[in-house]
Amino acid sequence: GAGVSQSPSNKVTEKGKDVELRCDPISGHTALYWYRQSLGQGLEFLIYFQGNSAPDKSGLPSDRFSAERTGGSVSTLTIQRTQQEDSAVYLCASSYRVQYEQYFGPGTRLTVT
Amino acid sequence: DAKTTQPTSMDCAEGRAANLPCNHSTISGNEYVYWYRQIHSQGPQYIIHGLKNNETNEMASLIITEDRKSSTLILPHATLRDTAVYYCIVRVYVDDMRFGAGTRLTVKP
Repeated sequence: GAGVSQSPSNKVTEKGKDVELRCDPISGHTALYWYRQSLGQGLEFLIYFQGNSAPDKSGLPSDRFSAERTGGSVSTLTIQRTQQEDSAVYLCASSYRVQYEQYFGPGTRLTVT
Repeated sequence: DAKTTQPTSMDCAEGRAANLPCNHSTISGNEYVYWYRQIHSQGPQYIIHGLKNNETNEMASLIITEDRKSSTLILPHATLRDTAVYYCIVRVYVDDMRFGAGTRLTVKP
């Protein structure tokens, strides 16, 4: 079956603009996760959803970051007033249930100029 | 703080077994050991996980010591396509999914 998909694959935006990143999880997976990976760095956990709810938003780097999930499926990660330090690859993963193994998408490479 | 310690890099000859160690001396009784890998420019890929028994699947074997303070991921016959960064993670809850720096495995012909 189809894996996790993310769009766009690449996004270049100007500093101060808002961006929206999309994640389509594997069908039937109830848990969805967002990470980001800066160049040459490990993965930084941002937020996860169990169904449509996000129990813990403390991993989001600032209040410019928000995420939502509707219908227990697609999720969007929104970054408002982007800054250059937001440049990174944003990865989405899904799992059948929380604590099960996670399957990652290809990521969205965000470049803020 | 990733709770695990891995060597920064390792080399392995193509066709030979690659043995990747991981120390997790502070692991608690309900924490699982997970292994993922990340091939350049791709998202991480799940490999295997275990609690205390050794595990094997089509990709790899996971050997966990009896005291659970360390583990070894074994790729039985490494190929060039196994060149990647390998991450060892211990977790029980999703917000414990902390990826450290991992081990950069280079498989050489």
